[in-house]
Amino acid sequence: AAGVIQSPRHLIKEKRETATLKCYPIPRHDTVYWYQQGPGQDPQFLISFYEKMQSDKGSIPDRFSAQQFSDYHSELNMSSLELGDSALYFCASSFTDSGTSGAYEQFFGPGTRLTVL
Amino acid sequence: AQSVTQLDSQVPVFEEAPVELRCNYSSSVSVYLFWYVQYPNQGLQLLLKYLSGSTLVKGINGFEAEFNKSQTSFHLRKPSVHISDTAEYFCAVSDRPLFSGGYNKLIFGAGTRLAVHP
Repeated sequence: AAGVIQSPRHLIKEKRETATLKCYPIPRHDTVYWYQQGPGQDPQFLISFYEKMQSDKGSIPDRFSAQQFSDYHSELNMSSLELGDSALYFCASSFTDSGTSGAYEQFFGPGTRLTVL
Repeated sequence: AQSVTQLDSQVPVFEEAPVELRCNYSSSVSVYLFWYVQYPNQGLQLLLKYLSGSTLVKGINGFEAEFNKSQTSFHLRKPSVHISDTAEYFCAVSDRPLFSGGYNKLIFGAGTRLAVHP
């Protein structure tokens, strides 16, 4: 079965540089979530999109922005990178059907490991 | 605000022994509860989830969890662990969605590192 695809898997950047992380959800999934997991920490919610609109926002720095495109893939743009941005960034996708009472789980991608030097 | 507390940061156990990983949550609204497993350098894999109905939930790899509303707990158990169960385990909570079928963000606990020894 198709899974969530994240690219790149590894990324090394210098301080003050920019980075773009990409997430391709499972086909027919319309909701994308981004999480940040620092070294030895639990994943922290950053932002989510439903049908290309931002649906929720967590502890995402102003230096970061994200969007969901017409094909439902999402990109997380990170500018003025800091050492503290080094982390594993997960994308998760789910299918949100507003017409049913069912609930659909979040499927996580393998993550992008960002290292800021 | 929601929060999740995993009471043990590390749990060492011998192979074939039973194990329980503890999780307590706090929320002012009805919630969904999840357990995820993370193997080294890998993503998060769903073990099991509680949405409604029976309070005893069975998941993959022989794991099960029991939802206890009065104690606001969702402890994970396995009767006999294997070396391959060595991993980080995360308990997570989500508010009931804003609309039917929807999901809200997951709030994770700090994780419990399960180390299975031969």
